[in-house]
Amino acid sequence: ETGVTQSPTHLIKTRGQQVTLRCSSQSGHNTVSWYQQALGQGPQFIFQYYREEENGRGNFPPRFSGLQFPNYSSELNVNALELDDSALYLCASSLRPQGTEAFFGQGTRLTVV
Amino acid sequence: SQQGEEDPQALSIQEGENATMNCSYKTSINNLQWYRQNSGRGLVHLILIRSNEREKHSGRLRVTLDTSKKSSSLLITASRAADTASYFCATDAGFQGGSEKLVFGKGTKLTVNP
Repeated sequence: ETGVTQSPTHLIKTRGQQVTLRCSSQSGHNTVSWYQQALGQGPQFIFQYYREEENGRGNFPPRFSGLQFPNYSSELNVNALELDDSALYLCASSLRPQGTEAFFGQGTRLTVV
Repeated sequence: SQQGEEDPQALSIQEGENATMNCSYKTSINNLQWYRQNSGRGLVHLILIRSNEREKHSGRLRVTLDTSKKSSSLLITASRAADTASYFCATDAGFQGGSEKLVFGKGTKLTVNP
């Protein structure tokens, strides 16, 4: 158990809808990163939040947005869902700037129909 | 884009045998981390090796890092059926671009037959 929890575990949405995924980071960690993992691929970095601000972004459009709260928990929001957004969304917490291990939650499986 | 490339893509061995997976990457790194993933669920952190380290052990795991060749290997000794999973290497290039993001390869799917 990593102490990183994500909710919900599974979600089915219709194309065009909006979705919010949630992540509770490990105690003592101040950084949350979100990754998208398509079937058969490795995780792809979406963005990272540090001290409640976005701090680095991967190659994802602006309809992917997020928040980090004072307790370091985080949300990932995706607007105008597309079929290709179907994936496993993983949240990772870590402690900056020590460059230590990142611990992942169990992920949210999003299916867009 | 994916920086790390694991090799082989798939590996099937018998219980008790050793499993070796390799990872190559393209840019300078701060550290390299190995993760295990069971059946498309969350990633389990296995081991982190820093750029100034050459070898690290954790239980039945041995990781090596060759920064001159930009490669790493993960050795699992005396494998068990429970080791069946996908294994990913992830590189951390530090504060490039302002974040400590991990760049993953596509993984090696390991099957350990009882």
